[in-house]
Amino acid sequence: TQLLEQSPQFLSIQEGENLTVYCNSSSVFSSLQWYRQEPGEGPVLLVTVVTGGEVKKLKRLTFQFGDARKDSSLHITAAQPGDTGLYLCAPYPWGGYNKLIFGAGTRLAVHP
Amino acid sequence: NAGVMQNPRHLVRRRGQEARLRCSPMKGHSHVYWYRQLPEEGLKFMVYLQKENIIDESGMPKERFSAEFPKEGPSILRIQQVVRGDSAAYFCASSLPGRDRFSYEQYFGPGTRLTVT
Repeated sequence: TQLLEQSPQFLSIQEGENLTVYCNSSSVFSSLQWYRQEPGEGPVLLVTVVTGGEVKKLKRLTFQFGDARKDSSLHITAAQPGDTGLYLCAPYPWGGYNKLIFGAGTRLAVHP
Repeated sequence: NAGVMQNPRHLVRRRGQEARLRCSPMKGHSHVYWYRQLPEEGLKFMVYLQKENIIDESGMPKERFSAEFPKEGPSILRIQQVVRGDSAAYFCASSLPGRDRFSYEQYFGPGTRLTVT
């Protein structure tokens, strides 16, 4: 069983602050997707990273895939209340594209 | 472009009844995945289907649960003789046929919230 850890579990910050959330495993991944989920809705795809060491930017969000393809991070600059939600990392195991593995997520609350 | 559609959004069933959950993938997507999210838990993979084929059902409970994705029409997740423990949010996702690692990006529907009373 692959273990996927996301940290921190909860994060409560003020508007304008920066933050980083982490996704770690001892397993190697083919690719990894980040999603944001709001209450009562399905996960919304933010980005896919596929190459070790890759960095992708989406406005104020910066995603990094670890060199060894075992971990990833999401950095948000100048957080806004609209960033509030559950952030989920979901990798494909190495060599397989049958199913995504989900961590428990990081629940972010950004207060005005 | 319509996203992944699921219906119903909310479903209430009494113990012992059957629940049928429907999923229409995004246009052009021929791969469908079902996940279950129990209260306060993460999403767990259930089954992966392509048109008329079950590719991976390693996450499906052995009894009472079945899934299909016919040549025409939506994918159906069927739960027979529901029990209280089946109460959860059920999400469907779809992806393109795989050509490269981006093809397997999964796009999720809004989910069906099943409540068993």
